[in-house]
Amino acid sequence: AQSVTQLDSQVPVFEEAPVELRCNYSSSVSVYLFWYVQYPNQGLQLLLKYLSGSTLVESINGFEAEFNKSQTSFHLRKPSVHISDTAEYFCAVSDLTGNQFYFGTGTSLTVIP
Amino acid sequence: ETGVTQSPTHLIKTRGQQVTLRCSSQSGHNTVSWYQQALGQGPQFIFQYYREEENGRGNFPPRFSGLQFPNYSSELNVNALELDDSALYLCASSLPGQGAETQYFGPGTRLLVL
Repeated sequence: AQSVTQLDSQVPVFEEAPVELRCNYSSSVSVYLFWYVQYPNQGLQLLLKYLSGSTLVESINGFEAEFNKSQTSFHLRKPSVHISDTAEYFCAVSDLTGNQFYFGTGTSLTVIP
Repeated sequence: ETGVTQSPTHLIKTRGQQVTLRCSSQSGHNTVSWYQQALGQGPQFIFQYYREEENGRGNFPPRFSGLQFPNYSSELNVNALELDDSALYLCASSLPGQGAETQYFGPGTRLLVL
């Protein structure tokens, strides 16, 4: 089985400052890794995913995450945040069948004007 | 907009009752997964259906059951409701060929058990 740990439950950051949301996973098999974002009263939206290939993956709105196999991490970063980035962010892992997903407990990102 | 819809949006039940939640996927989405998201927690995997058969199950008791229909809609049934079943229930579907890793989530049904 797999598991995910998101080390920070809440991250406040000033607008235009950089941010890193941390995610570590545990698995005895190869995995796929994901970051999802959840805005208030909405479902989850896929932000980015690592399936294979380059360990650095990017989203269309400026977020990026790097898969680090030796440290079993998949931290999410953005060099300059906007007010609209305020949301809950979930890291998730699945095995290569994709039959089961395991989510972390989430990190609440609050961007302060 | 993912094209995945869920009904109802909100629901209030009492302990011991039964509930059916519904999910409608886009045409061609032949894999659907259901998740329970308690307040302040991440989604917990309940089960997955592929071509109308259960294809994986998380750590949930048998009173959580599901159905998937040929028209790509699905149901989550919960019997003998308990207070701890209060949560946001999410369904997610995926397209053939993209693998279950490409999931599209619905907005969820918020269930309150009194």
